[in-house]
Amino acid sequence: AQRVTQPEKLLSVFKGAPVELKCNYSYSGSPELFWYVQYSRQRLQLLLRHISRESIKGFTADLNKGETSFHLKKPFAQEEDSAMYYCALSAMRHGSSNTGKLIFGQGTTLQVKP
Amino acid sequence: AAGVIQSPRHLIKEKRETATLKCYPIPRHDTVYWYQQGPGQDPQFLISFYEKMQSDKGSIPDRFSAQQFSDYHSELNMSSLELGDSALYFCASSPRTGLGIYEISSGANVLTFGAGSRLTVL
Repeated sequence: AQRVTQPEKLLSVFKGAPVELKCNYSYSGSPELFWYVQYSRQRLQLLLRHISRESIKGFTADLNKGETSFHLKKPFAQEEDSAMYYCALSAMRHGSSNTGKLIFGQGTTLQVKP
Repeated sequence: AAGVIQSPRHLIKEKRETATLKCYPIPRHDTVYWYQQGPGQDPQFLISFYEKMQSDKGSIPDRFSAQQFSDYHSELNMSSLELGDSALYFCASSPRTGLGIYEISSGANVLTFGAGSRLTVL
């Protein structure tokens, strides 16, 4: 079964401190992993996806298949990073059996204090 | 750029009433997904449609039904509302399914979410 686990409900750091939001997944096939962010009273927005291997707003995430993890990292947190972060998994959509739906983790609230 | 449009943004209903939520996907997106997010909960997948046919089904109650129309917009119909149905209902859209690796790497399978419809059942 597909499952995404974010062990921390809340992560509170000071501005300028490094941040790591943990995400572990369970999936037997080829997963595609995403991080979505939800700022206060706003819609879910894509932050980054593992397949593009990019850095967005200073955030990076590396897919570790051995540890089945996709942790989100940022070396220096900013106050505007405060938001809810969701890790999500989708089956690779090459094939008619894959519908592209996302399975979300429980979410981690990142609170960056001044 | 046009985004996913959901209406209404807020809806207040009483127990046992019915409600209909609408979702207008991004132009040329033919796949629509519905999610339910309860207070303090992660988004739970309800149902999805591809080319006007149901493509996947999640934890959608039997009291709920949905469909996708010829213009690709989708409606979620909820009947016999219960207090526990109070939640934020998100719609998301993406381009067509059944893609190859090239399309996946280009971002064609990324879901774009609407702002949500907040349903309160009293």
